[in-house]
Amino acid sequence: ETGVTQSPTHLIKTRGQQVTLRCSSQSGHNTVSWYQQALGQGPQFIFQYYREEENGRGNFPPRFSGLQFPNYSSELNVNALELDDSALYLCASSLEQTYNEQFFGPGTRLTVL
Amino acid sequence: AQSVTQLDSQVPVFEEAPVELRCNYSSSVSVYLFWYVQYPNQGLQLLLKYLSGSTLVKGINGFEAEFNKSQTSFHLRKPSVHISDTAEYFCAVSDQHAGYSTLTFGKGTMLLVSP
Repeated sequence: ETGVTQSPTHLIKTRGQQVTLRCSSQSGHNTVSWYQQALGQGPQFIFQYYREEENGRGNFPPRFSGLQFPNYSSELNVNALELDDSALYLCASSLEQTYNEQFFGPGTRLTVL
Repeated sequence: AQSVTQLDSQVPVFEEAPVELRCNYSSSVSVYLFWYVQYPNQGLQLLLKYLSGSTLVKGINGFEAEFNKSQTSFHLRKPSVHISDTAEYFCAVSDQHAGYSTLTFGKGTMLLVSP
């Protein structure tokens, strides 16, 4: 059974650019959630995808968007990057959209200069 | 929406001493609670979870936590810590929404174990 994987591990962008982060869910899991973890903070929920549809969203602007593919892998896209977008982005997968336990990937460290 | 308070941002402790990391959550009809550990430059690893049943929950690496509904607490304990336990620890509560479930995290507690 493979765990949650994310790519790339690190990324450096400049303000105003766009970025795409990728996540492969754990085998058998159909739900993917994305979290942003700013330095010194706990992770904050961005949104969740279930069967290729966004079914829940936290307090993040529309320039944060996502996709989920038929194999349940997912992408997080951020447009018009701002300095405050610098953070660790964590992907988590779960068996179903209402299932409480989530399994996290290693994260992607995004630095915006 | 749920909220989680981790009362200590940093807990220094000597190796082989006991430790307790405190966590309080906002009350709810039903609650599911988790403790995650994060080592430097890594993602989150599940230590233990409370979904139902016994209020004393045992997890990996010798950690345990006790769910106390009346005090809305879920404190994490270990009777004897090792240097390798040095990490950031996050308490989280499952937030139930219409059609989906998310995790709400505390700000974390840095456990610093010294020889």
